[in-house]
Amino acid sequence: LAKTTQPISMDSYEGQEVNITCSHNNIATNDYITWYQQFPSQGPRFIIQGYKTKVTNEVASLFIPADRKSSTLSLPRVSLSDTAVYYCLVFTGTASKLTFGTGTRLQVTL
Amino acid sequence: NAGVTQTPKFQVLKTGQSMTLQCAQDMNHNSMYWYRQDPGMGLRLIYYSASEGTTDKGEVPNGYNVSRLNKREFSLRLESAAPSQTSVYFCASSPPWGAAETQYFGPGTRLLVL
Repeated sequence: LAKTTQPISMDSYEGQEVNITCSHNNIATNDYITWYQQFPSQGPRFIIQGYKTKVTNEVASLFIPADRKSSTLSLPRVSLSDTAVYYCLVFTGTASKLTFGTGTRLQVTL
Repeated sequence: NAGVTQTPKFQVLKTGQSMTLQCAQDMNHNSMYWYRQDPGMGLRLIYYSASEGTTDKGEVPNGYNVSRLNKREFSLRLESAAPSQTSVYFCASSPPWGAAETQYFGPGTRLLVL
């Protein structure tokens, strides 16, 4: 079971780029890395997913090094509305092993 | 499309009472899930259903039962509520099996057991 480790919290000012790194040392060959975002009083929302190298969408970028033992979620020019909890997940084949962990609480201020 | 809907939004129960949380999705997804989230914690999987007619236990199934009524609906039942079941419950669904990491969540049901 691939366990993930990410910082408990991060602070940023509006307009800055934020990078959240997740460690997953025992990731399996077939595992994908997925990030979710959760606003207060809402369910998590899928942000981005990748297997290797770099993935970019309209919300974020995901950087995955060649050894895949870590990944970095990059949020360009954050705004106050990006204040949320961000979860890194490594999918290990069956839903029974899908573990969200406690995530990284990002606080964006002016 | 409404996506994933949950009812009720809020519920207060007394210890020992029973209730059913309802979940429905209109995205034609095969898989559906029930999670609980305690204050300051991540989500923990209670039960999931890979397809209509099948259900499997997740990380914390004790005290809960589920029914996959049809492809759209997946209900969670608390037979005898306990204060330890005070939590926010989220239902989710995902596209055909093999893409369980891409899940779509409902707005949640906040449950308080006194």
